[in-house]
Amino acid sequence: GAVVSQHPSWVICKSGTSVKIECRSLDFQATTMFWYRQFPKQSLMLMATSNEGSKATYEQGVEKDKFLINHASLTLSTLTVTSAHPEDSSFYICSARDAGRNTIYFGEGSWLTVV
Amino acid sequence: DAKTTQPPSMDCAEGRAANLPCNHSTISGNEYVYWYRQIHSQGPQYIIHGLKNNETNEMASLIITEDRKSSTLILPHATLRDTAVYYCIVRLPEGYGGATNKLIFGTGTLLAVQP
Repeated sequence: GAVVSQHPSWVICKSGTSVKIECRSLDFQATTMFWYRQFPKQSLMLMATSNEGSKATYEQGVEKDKFLINHASLTLSTLTVTSAHPEDSSFYICSARDAGRNTIYFGEGSWLTVV
Repeated sequence: DAKTTQPPSMDCAEGRAANLPCNHSTISGNEYVYWYRQIHSQGPQYIIHGLKNNETNEMASLIITEDRKSSTLILPHATLRDTAVYYCIVRLPEGYGGATNKLIFGTGTLLAVQP
């Protein structure tokens, strides 16, 4: 089946630094990818929609300057958490739309811990 | 997108069928019903989706009522590895009314398979 891969699986960074998370669709092209954040014991919260070759669309309340999204190719989207703070520690999950299957597939998620 | 209602939790004995209900009484005629599950600390896993007809794949069966206001996901022989949070989501297909095909997660049903 379709596979979406995220990297890194987990990362620890110092407060004030930036960290990049990659999301790749491995066996299909994805013009649209999505980024979610999930805090413990909560559901997934959609942060933004990443569109290949154009600007991302952010959900209300999500700071676009803090969560930079780049979707430069049909198989790769990146999320950069800039000037990370401990409250940004969370489980970040990406997903990619497979238009051929009319389905969205998810990556394995990336754990971010800001110390 | 229409909202869905699911019971917060359910138990099921190992080897038995697990029947997970979902109400989507405000679903529109063009919205699909999708089911995903999330095992602890992993990204959501696609299970199945359907529009009107019942669907079956290697993982599960999806039964949609004739009026499409509710559906049931059936895991025919639940195992301990099926313990997860199951999400029922309704979503417009690509290009409909400018929809961006987002998947908006509710709180889901925590299925606990008991030995």
